[in-house]
Parts: sequence; C-alpha cells; structure tokens
Amino acid sequence: GAGVSQSPRYKVAKRGQDVALRCDPISGHVSLFWYQQALGQGPEFLTYFQNEAQLDKSGLPSDRFFAERPEGSVSTLKIQRTQQEDSAVYLCASSLVLQGNQPQHFGDGTRLSIL
Amino acid sequence: QKEVEQNSGPLSVPEGAIASLNCTYSDRVSQSFFWYRQYSGKSPELIMSIYSNGDKEDGRFTAQLNKASQYVSLLIRDSQPSDSATYLCAGGAINTDKLIFGTGTRLQVFP
Repeated sequence: GAGVSQSPRYKVAKRGQDVALRCDPISGHVSLFWYQQALGQGPEFLTYFQNEAQLDKSGLPSDRFFAERPEGSVSTLKIQRTQQEDSAVYLCASSLVLQGNQPQHFGDGTRLSIL
Repeated sequence: QKEVEQNSGPLSVPEGAIASLNCTYSDRVSQSFFWYRQYSGKSPELIMSIYSNGDKEDGRFTAQLNKASQYVSLLIRDSQPSDSATYLCAGGAINTDKLIFGTGTRLQVFP
C-alpha cells in the first residue's frame, strides 16, 4: 500500500527482553518520526530523522531506547531491557518535505505489551 | 500551562448537529496546527491543517485559528455517528519539526 507501514502490529515481550519495531515510511518522504502513545493520551514525541540523519532524539525516555534509519528510508526503534512502563503504542509518521511543521501521516502503530 | 490543551470530553452531540472541538496552546508551540481523528485502536488520521489566522473549510469540517488568543478549533457540521472518535489537536514545536499533541477530545454522536 501507499501508507506508512509498521511491523509487528502487536508485540508481547517479557520484562528484560530487547524488542525491535520497524517502520517503512511513505515512498519519497524525507522526514520520519517516532511517537509513543499511552492509553487515553495523545502521542508523545520520541525522535525524528531527516533522511538518515537523526535530528532530534530529545523525547527518548532513556538510553535503553535507540532508533536508526541507516539508508534514509526504513527505520527501526529498538528498546533494550524492556520494562513494564514501556508498554504503549509506538507510532511512526512520515512527512514529505524538509520544511518544518508539515502534515505527518501515521502508520497503524505497534502495540507493545511488556509482561 | 501544558503546551497543547484539550478538554478530554466526552462531547456528546445529536446526529445532524454541529460539534465544536477546542484547543489552546502555549508560546512554545509554533503557528502550524493540525487536527487528527483517531478511532479506537487505530492510528491518527489527518483531517485538517491550518497555518494562518482565520477559518479554513473542507467539506463538513472547518478549522479556526486565532493567534492572538492562542486558540484553535474544529467545527464538524451535520455530525454523523461515524464521526464518533477522539480528535487530537497538534501544534508544531518551535525550532524543530516534531508535533506536540493534546490529550484528545472524545466525540460521541448519537442517532
């Protein structure tokens, strides 16, 4: 399809395990964003890329969170030594242009549950 | 003050009525604003973007921006039960491309 694709849709992990979440943005979209959404809340910014450059990672909650986009298209968000508070929906969004504050288009998200 | 604030609702309106959703923002938010609709268990879907003072209309939706009052609203005319969802207001952060979201307002349109 033409939209943002995220996988897996659901992930269950035991506390302490590492997880990797994948995002495939809309083709040609330069900017890619990761957000975390807790139940009943709005999405909270984690990090974003322009092409392969990670320009802002100020929202990553700890050094257990790591994101990369090595070739400027697909991105992976990795969480090491998961904790129960990491349980949330992780949303990926992409936007077309380099100029700031352009509309972002979201994928369906990965619902992460840490047991 | 939170950077983007919304009343969590629920806002209940009868079918055919106008639903009015409101959002205020702080000085830490730039002048670009977006309304997203989110159905339960689904991802946010962009409905409207607005960048300048005044009204912007698209079908049954009208976004309004008042920079002096730091206020953004979304009007939905002829509300339908299928409009029942959570509506997220988002503003662009200053000096970065990230969006800052409110907590969302849950809208219920009853037949």
